[in-house]
Amino acid sequence: EAGVAQSPRYKIIEKRQSVAFWCNPISGHATLYWYQQILGQGPKLLIQFQNNGVVDDSQLPKDRFSAERLKGVDSTLKIQPAKLEDSAVYLCASSSLGGELGKATDTQYFGPGTRLTVL
Amino acid sequence: KQEVTQIPAALSVPEGENLVLNCSFTDSAIYNLQWFRQDPGKGLTSLLLIQSSQREQTSGRLNASLDKSSGRSTLYIAASQPGDSATYLCAVCDSNYQLIWGAGTKLIIKP
Repeated sequence: EAGVAQSPRYKIIEKRQSVAFWCNPISGHATLYWYQQILGQGPKLLIQFQNNGVVDDSQLPKDRFSAERLKGVDSTLKIQPAKLEDSAVYLCASSSLGGELGKATDTQYFGPGTRLTVL
Repeated sequence: KQEVTQIPAALSVPEGENLVLNCSFTDSAIYNLQWFRQDPGKGLTSLLLIQSSQREQTSGRLNASLDKSSGRSTLYIAASQPGDSATYLCAVCDSNYQLIWGAGTKLIIKP
């Protein structure tokens, strides 16, 4: 079974530039998560999708971050414009949750992450 | 507000020793607790998931316990090996079905 795929693995940009990350979850997984992990900290949930609908985006800085999940499969996370404090690893995860609302009661499978450096 | 703390932040032990990693949380209203492993440059790998009704889970040399009333979990690693070197994170699934994460314990096993 293929795991969660993410690209690119590394990205270096200057502040005020824009960047996009891509995630392909495990086949058949209904729920997809984007996390931001700053060095030395645990991951912070940015957004959670159930199929192609948003379940939770309360911690997503919507003035600069956006995410979409077309057709309930792949997802992209975009930052525009980037700030220095956005330097982090961006992790995508998926899980095979059912029901009307995604519930984090099942195991989440993580991709390798994208390490973003903003100069 | 749920907070998760992991102590120590870093731990270095000789190969072969048994060791315990600690995780504490402030709100006992959780659905489950999970332990993850993170290797440098890689994503997170789920090691063990303990449902709120369970006391422990075992997988190979790993054993995780959960004491919901005291807000504590431990991850016991038996007969440690250099390949166990990684950062170990715990996360609780809170009453809003969100995973709340600790900052992790960086473990180094010395050959």
